[in-house]
Amino acid sequence: EAQVTQNPRYLITVTGKKLTVTCSQNMNHEYMSWYRQDPGLGLRQIYYSMNVEVTDKGDVPEGYKVSRKEKRNFPLILESPSPNQTSLYFCASSLSASGTGADTQYFGPGTRLTVL
Amino acid sequence: AQSVTQLGSHVSVSEGALVLLRCNYSSSVPPYLFWYVQYPNQGLQLLLKYTSAATLVKGINGFEAEFKKSETSFHLTKPSAHMSDAAEYFCAVSRGSNYKLTFGKGTLLTVNP
Repeated sequence: EAQVTQNPRYLITVTGKKLTVTCSQNMNHEYMSWYRQDPGLGLRQIYYSMNVEVTDKGDVPEGYKVSRKEKRNFPLILESPSPNQTSLYFCASSLSASGTGADTQYFGPGTRLTVL
Repeated sequence: AQSVTQLGSHVSVSEGALVLLRCNYSSSVPPYLFWYVQYPNQGLQLLLKYTSAATLVKGINGFEAEFKKSETSFHLTKPSAHMSDAAEYFCAVSRGSNYKLTFGKGTLLTVNP
């Protein structure tokens, strides 16, 4: 089954404790992205990747890191989480990173993170 | 910069009634427009998208949307609401080489029996 998977689905942690949220897609997609969803704000892009070893900042990158060492994986790293990073996080992927932006983005099930 | 405005953060309809969720976009050139649905505790699922092929776009679950350039709108409709349509709906616009989706703030649809 074609899908985007994220782990963990739920995470409660404390301020300053480094964590990684994994994202993996099995569709051979070039483009991958991370969003955070907050009530009343919709979804906002954190980072994106056009291909292996190519990443760039989105709208709200502060406090986050990403890497793209393999095409299928795009982990989100919070090196020193803070309470304002409590949110619902979504990973997404789409087929091609070239072209005009018409490709559908497929979303993972989400990771609910709470930072105490 | 492009942006999306969804009018009404919460829309309530009766089962069998027309569903109309409003979306207006701001873009200097014709964009690509999407409607996504989010059911409780799930990720986002594509309902439909406009990519300039046809102004009336049909999607899954009986939803459709019409692109109106003169009104910069892309409203989502369904003739008859079903209880299973209760969810949050997001309009999004995409343009540019970075494939960034700019989302509206979402509209929560409640369907009353």
